[in-house]
Amino acid sequence: AQSVTQPDIHITVSEGASLELRCNYSYGATPYLFWYVQSPGQGLQLLLKYFSGDTLVQGIKGFEAEFKRSQSSFNLRKPSVHWSDAAEYFCAVGGLTGGGNKLTFGTGTQLKVEL
Amino acid sequence: EPEVTQTPSHQVTQMGQEVILRCVPISNHLYFYWYRQILGQKVEFLVSFYNNEISEKSEIFDDQFSVERPDGSNFTLKIRSTKLEDSAMYFCATDREGYGYTFGSGTRLTIV
Repeated sequence: AQSVTQPDIHITVSEGASLELRCNYSYGATPYLFWYVQSPGQGLQLLLKYFSGDTLVQGIKGFEAEFKRSQSSFNLRKPSVHWSDAAEYFCAVGGLTGGGNKLTFGTGTQLKVEL
Repeated sequence: EPEVTQTPSHQVTQMGQEVILRCVPISNHLYFYWYRQILGQKVEFLVSFYNNEISEKSEIFDDQFSVERPDGSNFTLKIRSTKLEDSAMYFCATDREGYGYTFGSGTRLTIV
């Protein structure tokens, strides 16, 4: 069964500081990996995704993530956080089957940015 | 950029009543999904739909729930005899063979 672990429930960083959000996954085949961001009461916005190829993936808003198969990880990074990055971040794993690409989400990391 | 459209954005329904949530998928997508997010919790898979039939469903998706594409464009989730614990944000998503996974903005369902 596929699963995602986001070990940090809450993270607080100062504006301008670097950020790393951790994500570990379990999946029996080649995973498709995603990071989504959600502001309060809003929908899910895709930050970036990994399907294959270069293990360092660039996304929107200056985010990047690195796929490390040996560690079953897909950590999200940003070199300099902005106050507007405060939100909840979800990592998700999926993979193609005959019936589609069911995603399994982690429990999320709530990011607070101190000014 | 193509969007997945969900209606209504908010729905308040009395317990025991039926509710239908609607989604207009991206036109060239072949796979359709419903997810839900109970307030403060993670996003959970409900069901996937491909080639006019359910391809996978979670244990949450019991006989109370059903999905269909009544007119080839809309994709609906019906919840019969709603319960208080059905209150959640429901997200529709569509997918072009795994490469174009897109979520709608969600319907906030409140059962009173």
